[in-house]
Amino acid sequence: DVKVTQSSRYLVKRTGEKVFLECVQDMDHENMFWYRQDPGLGLRLIYFSYDVKMKEKGDIPEGYSVSREKKERFSLILESASTNQTSMYLCASSPGLAPNTGELFFGEGSRLTVL
Amino acid sequence: QKEVEQDPGPLSVPEGAIVSLNCTYSNSAFQYFMWYRQYSRKGPELLMYTYSSGNKEDGRFTAQVDKSSKYISLFIRDSQPSDSATYLCAPRSPTGRRALTFGSGTRLQVQP
Repeated sequence: DVKVTQSSRYLVKRTGEKVFLECVQDMDHENMFWYRQDPGLGLRLIYFSYDVKMKEKGDIPEGYSVSREKKERFSLILESASTNQTSMYLCASSPGLAPNTGELFFGEGSRLTVL
Repeated sequence: QKEVEQDPGPLSVPEGAIVSLNCTYSNSAFQYFMWYRQYSRKGPELLMYTYSSGNKEDGRFTAQVDKSSKYISLFIRDSQPSDSATYLCAPRSPTGRRALTFGSGTRLQVQP
């Protein structure tokens, strides 16, 4: 089974802190994604990466950065956390060019609260 | 207009009811239509998908696509309390970006 592991299920941080959310996948997938999920807004794409050291902005990249130094690991960074970044963060991966469905495999999520 | 629209619910039904969950979309390039199921405090998992128009059945679940009206449906027959979850539609173009665009999700509660 594909496994996508997010390092922290629950985090509480203070405004202005730097936050790292880590994600690791064990299926040698090329593509990795970070989404945030908010009530009424669904899943919104923050960043994605289709190769090591490659990244592309999603729909809401402001206030976030990412790092992909190894194929299996994709990190989301909040340089200076703000209260409007309180959310559920979901990491996902998918194989290759995904010529067919492009199915994404998700981790269990990291719930971040910024006080 | 959002690319994918979905009624957020919540939708509450008695056990055994037939459930209809729906999405509309605006991008006529979409060819794959996926439904994800997300249990509380878990990540979404792919439930089923269809390609182009038509129906696809998998056990108690039927996915239906009407490309002429850009309308996607998921039907659940004989609904069970274990079906209580949020259901997200995710249409995709075969040549589009690798990330999926999701509907906002419909929360379903099946009462025993």
